[in-house]
Amino acid sequence: GESVGLHLPTLSVQEGDNSIINCAYSNSASDYFIWYKQESGKGPQFIIDIRSNMDKRQGQRVTVLLNKTVKHLSLQIAATQPGDSAVYFCAESDTPLVFGKGTRLSVIA
Amino acid sequence: DAEITQSPRHKITETGRQVTLACHQTWNHNNMFWYRQDLGHGLRLIHYSYGVHDTNKGEVSDGYSVSRSNTEDLPLTLESAASSQTSVYFCASSERTSGRTYEQYFGPGTRLTVT
Repeated sequence: GESVGLHLPTLSVQEGDNSIINCAYSNSASDYFIWYKQESGKGPQFIIDIRSNMDKRQGQRVTVLLNKTVKHLSLQIAATQPGDSAVYFCAESDTPLVFGKGTRLSVIA
Repeated sequence: DAEITQSPRHKITETGRQVTLACHQTWNHNNMFWYRQDLGHGLRLIHYSYGVHDTNKGEVSDGYSVSRSNTEDLPLTLESAASSQTSVYFCASSERTSGRTYEQYFGPGTRLTVT
């Protein structure tokens, strides 16, 4: 598959544990944020989004937390599975979206 | 089902040649984007379009051009390929509501090698 980020920050998590991936954003006026997952050899896929009028949003096994005071976003994955191994990007709303550099999540079986 | 496709998936070309990468979406989205992805750089925006006949430069537009003659397609052209343009290229599209860009759908990518 495509090699997309050998020098990215890496988070290693034991299978079944919870994962927390963090992201700092730059524009205090951003009103919408998205998390993407990119598996090897594939394009980024939407996971979950959140608007700035919320501080938490939950999906299936994933939760996004937004702290506008410190311009920080986090993605929590519950009961991490081997299939969660990927590079995760946050993006903030602008025209067009502005992407962070990504974090590689490695799940240890 | 609606989708976004890219072709070719892999391309090897020589320095100085003109190369065009195709992107086609059937979402009927107004917005289309081209990114390149390199080790340690994440996704960097090359060009984007908000509609037919509209094109805009992104962060790393030098050496690239796009044209938008219809809603479905945004081909990316490398005028004279350079080794620094060896990369993985992603096309994306999104709907646009009230002047804001929201969720972008990505294609599978094209790996371009310039020798």
